[in-house]
Formats: sequence, structure tokens, C-alpha cells
Amino acid sequence: QQQVRQSPQSLTVWEGETAILNCSYENSAFDYFPWYQQFPGEGPALLISILSVSNKKEDGRFTIFFNKREKKLSLHIADSQPGDSATYFCAASPPSSFSKLVFGQGTSLSVVP
Amino acid sequence: DMKVTQMPRYLIKRMGENVLLECGQDMSHETMYWYRQDPGLGLQLIYISYDVDSNSEGDIPKGYRVSRKKREHFSLILDSAKTNQTSVYFCASSLRDNYAEQFFGPGTRLTVL
Repeated sequence: QQQVRQSPQSLTVWEGETAILNCSYENSAFDYFPWYQQFPGEGPALLISILSVSNKKEDGRFTIFFNKREKKLSLHIADSQPGDSATYFCAASPPSSFSKLVFGQGTSLSVVP
Repeated sequence: DMKVTQMPRYLIKRMGENVLLECGQDMSHETMYWYRQDPGLGLQLIYISYDVDSNSEGDIPKGYRVSRKKREHFSLILDSAKTNQTSVYFCASSLRDNYAEQFFGPGTRLTVL
């Protein structure tokens, strides 16, 4: 049972475009949503996160939009750069998760110069 | 320098052999994790450790066991490895009160023939 789903599985954009990565979840108790970025040959690293009390979170070129009613969120990467090419994981956590995160299956982003 | 290390980085074993994957961290984090990553499945939690000798099963613990005798070290053991345990294994650590920010190691690519 996949509690956190991501789409598309892979995405290619041109340099300078905005990449949009989607995430949906099933458990309405989830209240914290970190996004992790993973480069080939490395472990994931925390990129940006949002709490369910907010509907938007910005950090430079990265923005999370959150829709609690529809249980959906998206990561927007503005002015995409080739260095943004990586796999992005959406994760979720409920209040009483005993330190556990539930990860989506990831979106592989390629930014073409 | 905040770091999670994993040894070895690459490992090839035959079916039925025992496997030991080692993880270390220098951040004095209480909580440590073992995940496996397979294409299309994202990160799946195998075990979580809340501190020395305080371990808990994750979502896919079958076929694995762990050991944590020091806060900075966390080992994953496969007794009699199976071919379906071929995967990339990631160790991570976090502060007990900030589990959403997990620091990942570089991974161990295990092949079981």
C-alpha cells in the first residue's frame, strides 16, 4: 500500500523552465511533508519542508504548494538549472509516528541545457 | 563536519552467505535508520533505532536484524542473504526531536548472486 504517491515518475524540462513535481497522500493524519533531493551515487538530503497548517513554503527557487483538502502537494522548481537534475522524494509524517517518515517512490528530474 | 558514513560501498555476496553493513555518524544523533532503495519503490524503512539497544522494526524487517551497541554505530545484518535482498541500502540519522531532517549516508550497493 503506497501511502505517498508521486508523479510523474520522470520529468524532463529545459533550462530556465519551471519544473513541477506532484505528490499526493492518503492518510489525513499526515501533518509534515519534507522533500528530499538525491543526486546519483549519493544519499538523499533534505531540500525543503512544509507543515500542514501552511499552504505555501518558499526557499529560493524551490516552492511547495499544499492543498490539505485534496491531500495534494507539489514542488515547483523555478528557473531550472542542469544542476537540479536529481531524484526528488516527497515524504510525510503523522504526529505520532515514532520518528518515521513515509517516502514516495520519487520523481527523476532531468534539466536539459 | 556532520557526516554519516557507510561501509562497504559495494558488496557482492552469494546466496546463503552472511552480510554485515556498517554505519557511523559523528553528530551524536539519538535516532538511526536503515532503508533500502529499489527502482520505483522509493525508500523503504527496514529498522529504526532510538538509541543504544533500543531498536524497532520498520516496514520491511523480514530477513534483517540490527545491532546498536554505541550511539554512533548502527549495523545491519543479513543472515543467509537472498537474491531478493539485492538493493542499495542507506543508513540515516536524526535528532530524536527533529526526525524529519534525516542525514543520509552515501549508500551500500549490495548484490546477492
